[in-house]
Amino acid sequence: DSGVTQTPKHLITATGQRVTLRCSPRSGDLSVYWYQQSLDQGLQFLIQYYNGEERAKGNILERFSAQQFPDLHSELNLSSLELGDSALYFCASSRLADPSDTQYFGPGTRLTVL
Amino acid sequence: AQSVTQLGSHVSVSEGALVLLRCNYSSSVPPYLFWYVQYPNQGLQLLLKYTTGATLVKGINGFEAEFKKSETSFHLTKPSAHMSDAAEYFCAVISYSGGGADGLTFGKGTHLIIQP
Repeated sequence: DSGVTQTPKHLITATGQRVTLRCSPRSGDLSVYWYQQSLDQGLQFLIQYYNGEERAKGNILERFSAQQFPDLHSELNLSSLELGDSALYFCASSRLADPSDTQYFGPGTRLTVL
Repeated sequence: AQSVTQLGSHVSVSEGALVLLRCNYSSSVPPYLFWYVQYPNQGLQLLLKYTTGATLVKGINGFEAEFKKSETSFHLTKPSAHMSDAAEYFCAVISYSGGGADGLTFGKGTHLIIQP
């Protein structure tokens, strides 16, 4: 158990819908990362927040957004969902802002878009 | 841009045999390199990482990796495979943009199969 929690574990929805994925980092970690794992694209970095502020952006679509709240939990919002958004979404947390600091991954949220 | 290439999407070894998983990187700056393992239906777990200093890095579960700049490689090895090592293994490098260091860029993964 990494100490990172993600909810829900599974999510099934329809095209065009909007969903919110939630992540609680390990106690004391200020940095949260979001990654997408799909069969065709592999594991891709989406976005990083550090202590409530966006720090780095990767291959995140404009239809996706994220935020980190004062209690340091983070949410990833996915809107206007398409079939291709079906994937496993991981959250990771670390103590420092630098991505070389060990990132601890949650168990993931499996999103299925029908 | 930084990238990693993992040679072999599937590797099969016998229990007790040497495990060798290959990773080559491309980076315009001195790389920070990582190996992660993913067991079925679980998140990723860090096995080891190379930042600076000693080029031979020891990790958890008996794994180690050697950073070879001349070969742009960071291969993962374990002297004797256990059945419990069956999993997906990912090599990763820190990616950089104009704003500095970003997240991790992962390879496609190597599925390790252990034969009894």
